[in-house]
Amino acid sequence: DAGVIQSPRHEVTEMGQEVTLRCKPISGHDYLFWYRQTMMRGLELLIYFNNNVPIDDSGMPEDRFSAKMPNASFSTLKIQPSEPRDSAVYFCASSPKRGKNTGELFFGEGSRLTVL
Amino acid sequence: GEDVEQSLFLSVREGDSSVINCTYTDSSSTYLYWYKQEPGAGLQLLTYIFSNMDMKQDQRLTVLLNKKDKHLSLRIADTQTGDSAIYFCAEMDSSYKLIFGSGTRLLVRP
Repeated sequence: DAGVIQSPRHEVTEMGQEVTLRCKPISGHDYLFWYRQTMMRGLELLIYFNNNVPIDDSGMPEDRFSAKMPNASFSTLKIQPSEPRDSAVYFCASSPKRGKNTGELFFGEGSRLTVL
Repeated sequence: GEDVEQSLFLSVREGDSSVINCTYTDSSSTYLYWYKQEPGAGLQLLTYIFSNMDMKQDQRLTVLLNKKDKHLSLRIADTQTGDSAIYFCAEMDSSYKLIFGSGTRLLVRP
């Protein structure tokens, strides 16, 4: 069974450009999470969805960041316009329905973003 | 708000035991977790412990939970070079979010 799939694995862009990161969660998982990892701040939760509905976006740093989940098998995280301080590894993770599991998150391999 | 703290770095010799410590703040956490991150990869669940347990053993891994002190530890017996990675402690808060610590980088010296 395929795990969480993220694309692109690496992205290098210039300041001001739009960046779109993509995620395909594990089939049947009801929860989807977007995390950002940096040396300075560690692993930060940006937003999470339950059954395609955004539940908590309090971690989204600014209005430049937006996330969507149009269906159960696809989510995007968009940064527009991008800035050098957005450089980080962005992880997507999914989890089965609560109550039927231990809350384990299944992580993708991450998208490494570099904004010049 | 909830906070999870870990030491940043641990170096051990191959064959020794490693102990990674973590403190957390949310006393209502149902589950506590240890995740492992290898270079260039995402996090993978190593083990977890339910909050009504004091200890859990899984092969070379031993998790100890002290709820009174809100302290969690991970012991790796007979540490191998393949255990070199970043280890994250995490707690589940009341809204089903996982709050991660900053990670402990374990270096295993031959």
